[in-house]
Amino acid sequence: GESVGLHLPTLSVQEGDNSIINCAYSNSASDYFIWYKQESGKGPQFIIDIRSNMDKRQGQRVTVLLNKTVKHLSLQIAATQPGDSAVYFCAEYQNDMRFGAGTRLTVKP
Amino acid sequence: GAGVSQSPSNKVTEKGKDVELRCDPISGHTALYWYRQSLGQGLEFLIYFQGNSAPDKSGLPSDRFSAERTGGSVSTLTIQRTQQEDSAVYLCASSLSTSEEKLFFGSGTQLSVL
Repeated sequence: GESVGLHLPTLSVQEGDNSIINCAYSNSASDYFIWYKQESGKGPQFIIDIRSNMDKRQGQRVTVLLNKTVKHLSLQIAATQPGDSAVYFCAEYQNDMRFGAGTRLTVKP
Repeated sequence: GAGVSQSPSNKVTEKGKDVELRCDPISGHTALYWYRQSLGQGLEFLIYFQGNSAPDKSGLPSDRFSAERTGGSVSTLTIQRTQQEDSAVYLCASSLSTSEEKLFFGSGTQLSVL
């Protein structure tokens, strides 16, 4: 079911380092997953998606990994930049789109 | 339009008043979602419209909340007898079709109930 966190987990990284943001999803029947980025005062924006018949997908500086065995999704950001500072949400689709609680990424210059 | 449009961007109301929030999805998008986001928290699913099908209302927190989607396009989220705990950002999103498709979000309506 839907989960809404009371406090967002946070991740702080140094500029230039790689970031890994993790997400545990709830429904083993979900067949489509998306990562969104939300900057302050804005709606979430699409980053990358992956379908359940894949376990890895790469974009520009971002990679999504899917482990269906343990219902785990991760987002890897290479060479993290200050502009990557935002809240990151994973979402799963199975009849409709449900979001995880989100992780706040802070990039230190 | 170019993107999902929500209005108003900010709404301040008094406890007990009714409010209406509007969402104009991207033209041609058949799926429309409403989410609620409290300060510093995640996205709480409220309701989902898909084409002409009956909406999925399973996320609406109480019977004070309702939503309509007229003509398969514009949607209105109505909150009756607002309470202070209704204060949040209300986000609308649309997507192209019934299959798995990425959502495009509006900038949200910041609702403050005094």
